[in-house]
Amino acid sequence: QSVLTQAPSVSAAPGQKVTISCSGSSSNIGNNYVSWYLHLPGTAPKLLIYDNNKRPSGIPDRFSGSKSGTSATLGITGLQTGDEADYYCGTWDSSLIAVVFGGGTKLTVL
Amino acid sequence: QVQLQESGPGLVKPSQTLSLTCTVSGGPISSGDSFWSWIRQHPGKGLEWLGYIYYSGNTYYTPSLKSRVTISVDTSKKQFSLRLSSVTAADTAVYYCARLGSSWGKGFDPWGQGTLVTVSS
Repeated sequence: QSVLTQAPSVSAAPGQKVTISCSGSSSNIGNNYVSWYLHLPGTAPKLLIYDNNKRPSGIPDRFSGSKSGTSATLGITGLQTGDEADYYCGTWDSSLIAVVFGGGTKLTVL
Repeated sequence: QVQLQESGPGLVKPSQTLSLTCTVSGGPISSGDSFWSWIRQHPGKGLEWLGYIYYSGNTYYTPSLKSRVTISVDTSKKQFSLRLSSVTAADTAVYYCARLGSSWGKGFDPWGQGTLVTVSS
C-alpha cells in the first residue's frame, strides 16, 4: 500500500488532455514539493516535473504539474501514443522521514 | 550529461547480502548538489526509496530498512554501492540508482536502467 494514492489507470484518445492525480496528507504533499516521473517498464524512469510545477530541460510543455492542499496533479495535453506509460508522483514525508511515491497510474492512449 | 548504470548479481540466496554498484559517467560524482540514491520496485508494485549517500560519505536511509541497508561511495571510481543484508524473497525487485537534486523537491534525475535482483535458493 503506497503512502500516496493514485488511480491505477487512466485512458484518453490521441490529441486529448488527461490529468493524473496524486493524493496525500499534510505530512507529505501538503507541506513538501512534488515530483512526477514517467516510466516505461524495462527502461529508466524519467523526471517530468519537479518542485510541483517545474519542467526539466527537454520535457515538452505538454506536461504540467500543479498542487492544491494535499493533492497534486499531472496534466498531459496533446496526447500521443508514445505517452503510454506508468506515471508516478513522489515527495518527502515529514512523518515517515522518507521519500514516498504513489502506486503509479498506467496511461493508455486509445 | 550524467548517466548511471547499475551492476551486480541478479540472483541472491535468502539470508545473504545483496550487493549492487552504480557507476556514474558524464559528470562528477563529487557534485555539491547531488545525493546518490537507491530506489527499488517490487514486481507489479510502486517505487520504494532506500536511501542516499553524499560524495563526502554522509548517508541517510529510509527508516523501515535502516537496519539492513548500507550505501557507500568510491569517488575515485565514480561509483556508489548498495548492500542489503539478510535478504528474503520480499527483497526481490528491480533496483535503480538515481541522482537526487539539492533538495527533496528537485526529484530524482537521472535514473539508471535498473537491475532485477531475485532472492531465491
